[in-house]
Amino acid sequence: GAGVSQSPRYKVTKRGQDVALRCDPISGHVSLYWYRQALGQGPEFLTYFNYEAQQDKSGLPNDRFSAERPEGSISTLTIQRTEQRDSAMYRCASSFRNRANTGELFFGEGSRLTVL
Amino acid sequence: SQQGEEDPQALSIQEGENATMNCSYKTSINNLQWYRQNSGRGLVHLILIRSNEREKHSGRLRVTLDTSKKSSSLLITASRAADTASYFCATDESGGSNYKLTFGKGTLLTVNP
Repeated sequence: GAGVSQSPRYKVTKRGQDVALRCDPISGHVSLYWYRQALGQGPEFLTYFNYEAQQDKSGLPNDRFSAERPEGSISTLTIQRTEQRDSAMYRCASSFRNRANTGELFFGEGSRLTVL
Repeated sequence: SQQGEEDPQALSIQEGENATMNCSYKTSINNLQWYRQNSGRGLVHLILIRSNEREKHSGRLRVTLDTSKKSSSLLITASRAADTASYFCATDESGGSNYKLTFGKGTLLTVNP
């Protein structure tokens, strides 16, 4: 497709379960970002990939959160042992620019996670 | 943490009126961007202004940047009901993690027909 694709769009899980959220960026985009957005707030940075390399994971809340982009394209954000406070919209974005300068980000529709 | 702060948090106007939203930030930046988010949807890039620019236009949008005050404004002229959305400013720090955009909390704009 032409845009950033995220799946699943909605995920409801029970506390303690693991979840994996997938992001398929725009073809050819070098940079990939994961953000988390709470209701009524702006997106908060989680992690950044330049090609397959995870350049910055400073925004990941704790070690239950991890992300990978093994072939420099599709990325997976994994949350282990989910807690209710993990409930949020998780947004993926991609950009054709490398780390030299930040350009326009193209966002996906997001994955809404609800932890019961 | 969120660097930008939009003001006001919410704005309600009539169709045809102009809407002005402000953004303040804390650190030196390379550029500042504005994004729009329709309810429940993804964010869409509107306009980018570089730190050495003071004003930029795109259609009905006008953005100003005052680096001495660390602030920016977004003006939407002749608003339409379809402009109803949340608007976010986003900045990237100069000299630091310049690949990372930091977003504000947003202004919710409602344009009444």
